[in-house]
Amino acid sequence: GAVVSQHPSWVICKSGTSVKIECRSLDFQATTMFWYRQFPKQSLMLMATSNEGSKATYEQGVEKDKFLINHASLTLSTLTVTSAHPEDSSFYICSAAEAGGTGELFFGEGSRLTVL
Amino acid sequence: DAKTTQPPSMDCAEGRAANLPCNHSTISGNEYVYWYRQIHSQGPQYIIHGLKNNETNEMASLIITEDRKSSTLILPHATLRDTAVYYCIVRVASGATNKLIFGTGTLLAVQP
Repeated sequence: GAVVSQHPSWVICKSGTSVKIECRSLDFQATTMFWYRQFPKQSLMLMATSNEGSKATYEQGVEKDKFLINHASLTLSTLTVTSAHPEDSSFYICSAAEAGGTGELFFGEGSRLTVL
Repeated sequence: DAKTTQPPSMDCAEGRAANLPCNHSTISGNEYVYWYRQIHSQGPQYIIHGLKNNETNEMASLIITEDRKSSTLILPHATLRDTAVYYCIVRVASGATNKLIFGTGTLLAVQP
């Protein structure tokens, strides 16, 4: 199947700093990518839908100024957690479907963020 | 998207078939049933999906009832590596822009 890669796999940062997480579709083009957040022992929660060349669509309750999403190309979407705080510590996961494909979503390996 | 109901956990003996049920009584005619699994600290992995016919691939079989209100994922010969949280999701059609909404899933523990 298609491969979605995230970087970094894990990151530790100080409170108040910003962290950028990249999501790349390695062998296909994705006009749409999705960002999820997962707290320990909980399910994945959809944060936003990232659309290439346009603004992301955020789910209710997700602060768009806190979680900046950029989808500048058909193979790359980035999530920036701005002014991170300990409560932002979580597992962030992206997914993508191939443009014109069957609609199957492929997931990245996830990025674990720890804010001290 | 329709909601799904799954048991929170199940056990299965290694080498035996694992049958994971899912109820989706409010599924619409154009919604597919998708199954994903998540091994601890990894991203979800696609398993199988179907609309109304039973489906089989190298990983599993998907049995959908005639009224489409429930389905069962079957892992024919479970191994320890199949221990994971299994998510049953219903999703409109197969468009690339259609998001997946995850429920709580079933934690399958394969026992040696």
